[in-house]
Amino acid sequence: DGGITQSPKYLFRKEGQNVTLSCEQNLNHDAMYWYRQDPGQGLRLIYYSQIVNDFQKGDIAEGYSVSREKKESFPLTVTSAQKNPTAFYLCASRQSNSPLHFGNGTRLTVT
Amino acid sequence: EDKVVQSPLSLVVHEGDTVTLNCSYEVTNFRSLLWYKQEKKAPTFLFMLTSSGIEKKSGRLSSILDKKELSSILNITATQTGDSAIYLCAVEAGLGAQKLVFGQGTRLTINP
Repeated sequence: DGGITQSPKYLFRKEGQNVTLSCEQNLNHDAMYWYRQDPGQGLRLIYYSQIVNDFQKGDIAEGYSVSREKKESFPLTVTSAQKNPTAFYLCASRQSNSPLHFGNGTRLTVT
Repeated sequence: EDKVVQSPLSLVVHEGDTVTLNCSYEVTNFRSLLWYKQEKKAPTFLFMLTSSGIEKKSGRLSSILDKKELSSILNITATQTGDSAIYLCAVEAGLGAQKLVFGQGTRLTINP
């Protein structure tokens, strides 16, 4: 079945540690996205990538980093510089002029 | 900065009521507007709108885009408890870019 897989589902980290969230898609989509969702709120764009080896900052990129070495993979690293990292992280992909397909998300808790 | 604003942020109605959710936008080089429903985790796609004035319909849900007013509405008639969810509006904008910006969402609660 085609889809987007995010792992892990839940992640717990201590403050000051970097953590990497995985996102893999087998839909052969060119574009991939990372969004952050805080409780009761909409989605805010962190980074997006339209092709391999290229990505752009979204509205809240500070404290995050990404890579796009393969078409099917777009991992997100939450660095210690991100002041409020606890949130629900959603990865998505799409082909031009078509809707976004979402993964089931990773809930990150930093204490 | 591209901006998408949804209203109301929260809405509570009784089963059977009709609701209208609003989405307005200020973006550079508008390409399309999308509506999603989020119940638990992954948002699910509802509609994609690119042309002004053409209503899209799926069962009890319908949506229309007004490019002159830079807005869209999502209507749900004869609401059911299963319609309870966060409804998200997203706008694709930018020259050649596939940047999608979401609004804050409307939390809709349908009481029996």
